[in-house]
Amino acid sequence: DTGVSQDPRHKITKRGQNVTFRCDPISEHNRLYWYRQTLGQGPEFLTYFQNEAQLEKSRLLSDRFSAERPKGSFSTLEIQRTEQGDSAMYLCASSSQQGESGYTFGSGTRLTVV
Amino acid sequence: AQSVTQLGSHVSVSEGALVLLRCNYSSSVPPYLFWYVQYPNQGLQLLLKYTSAATLVKGINGFEAEFKKSETSFHLTKPSAHMSDAAEYFCAVSPRSGANSKLTFGKGITLSVRP
Repeated sequence: DTGVSQDPRHKITKRGQNVTFRCDPISEHNRLYWYRQTLGQGPEFLTYFQNEAQLEKSRLLSDRFSAERPKGSFSTLEIQRTEQGDSAMYLCASSSQQGESGYTFGSGTRLTVV
Repeated sequence: AQSVTQLGSHVSVSEGALVLLRCNYSSSVPPYLFWYVQYPNQGLQLLLKYTSAATLVKGINGFEAEFKKSETSFHLTKPSAHMSDAAEYFCAVSPRSGANSKLTFGKGITLSVRP
């Protein structure tokens, strides 16, 4: 297993455009998390899936944000009508049913909105 | 709600000196605790985790941390700093049980190592 993969690594978009990021978790992990990290801050929780079910969404996840995990494998995070404040690193992580095993993070997607 | 406090945003040490990065947590019951390291423009790598009875936890790259329930602390230490240790370090907490096991992170500490 190659770990958690995120695509793309970098994305530059114009304000108002839509963007979509993809995350491929470790295959045997049934939990998948999205986090957002801005400069100088720790990662902030956005949303969480157990298999295909989205179990929690943070208040940070405005109506312009949507996440899916259609078959309980990979996940996508879409941002509609991007704003400059959306510029950040978007991190994906996965874990097994029991979180004590740790959370494996991908390398992240860095979004720059110009 | 659980939370993590990392005192200070920047720590600078000389190569070969002791590294001490502080982390205090707030939780009604002892949680799972983690330390992650992040190098520039990369994701987070797990250094070590506290999930069971052993209060002294050894991790990768010579780091270790001690869980102290009475002080609600989980400080990270390394006896001798190396230049390659320069990075951002995050302490994180998650609940031991419940449907949602999401990680809550501190703000992070930047470690600089002087030659």
